[in-house]
Amino acid sequence: KQEVTQIPAALSVPEGENLVLNCSFTDSAIYNLQWFRQDPGKGLTSLLLIQSSQREQTSGRLNASLDKSSGRSTLYIAASQPGDSATYLCAVRTGTSYGKLTFGQGTILTVHP
Amino acid sequence: GAVVSQHPSRVICKSGTSVKIECRSLDFQATTMFWYRQFPKQSLMLMATSNEGSKATYEQGVEKDKFLINHASLTLSTLTVTSAHPEDSSFYICSANPWPSGGNEQFFGPGTRLTVL
Repeated sequence: KQEVTQIPAALSVPEGENLVLNCSFTDSAIYNLQWFRQDPGKGLTSLLLIQSSQREQTSGRLNASLDKSSGRSTLYIAASQPGDSATYLCAVRTGTSYGKLTFGQGTILTVHP
Repeated sequence: GAVVSQHPSRVICKSGTSVKIECRSLDFQATTMFWYRQFPKQSLMLMATSNEGSKATYEQGVEKDKFLINHASLTLSTLTVTSAHPEDSSFYICSANPWPSGGNEQFFGPGTRLTVL
């Protein structure tokens, strides 16, 4: 059974800092990995998708890396802003393209001015 | 990206009543939709996989007679919480995989907050 863990559970940083969120998974037979952002009381917004054959993906100030063999992914946020404050969720799709997504518990990020 | 909508966004009902939540893919077709529930400050837990034209697949521990799922078209799946009780109060989120491109990316609805009094 796939298990996904995110560290840290919460993070508070001043504006402008670069930061790293970590995600680890137990079963390396993944199809892809997706990072999401969730604002309080809202649904999920997809940030980055990394296929199992890829090492990293970038979008603006966000960069996600994947090391499938060690079961790890990191989300790097450059020059953080207060608007980045949200819960960040890592989700792993195991097996096929229609396999289930297994979510981590999330990292609650607060960026203060 | 693709858009998934849910209706209603918020519902309050009395214990014992049934509540229907709709999930629609607005600009794509989806043969598969997923229903999740999320308790406060917890992550998403998959409840069931909704398959267009066939029966839903429920996760272990989820009562199929309590959470009725219907996926009658390629753009609509519904979740009905039957005889709702306070412990069913939660945030319900649906998601969909665009067809035929498959599971390359999963898109989520905005969620439905259910409160059972």
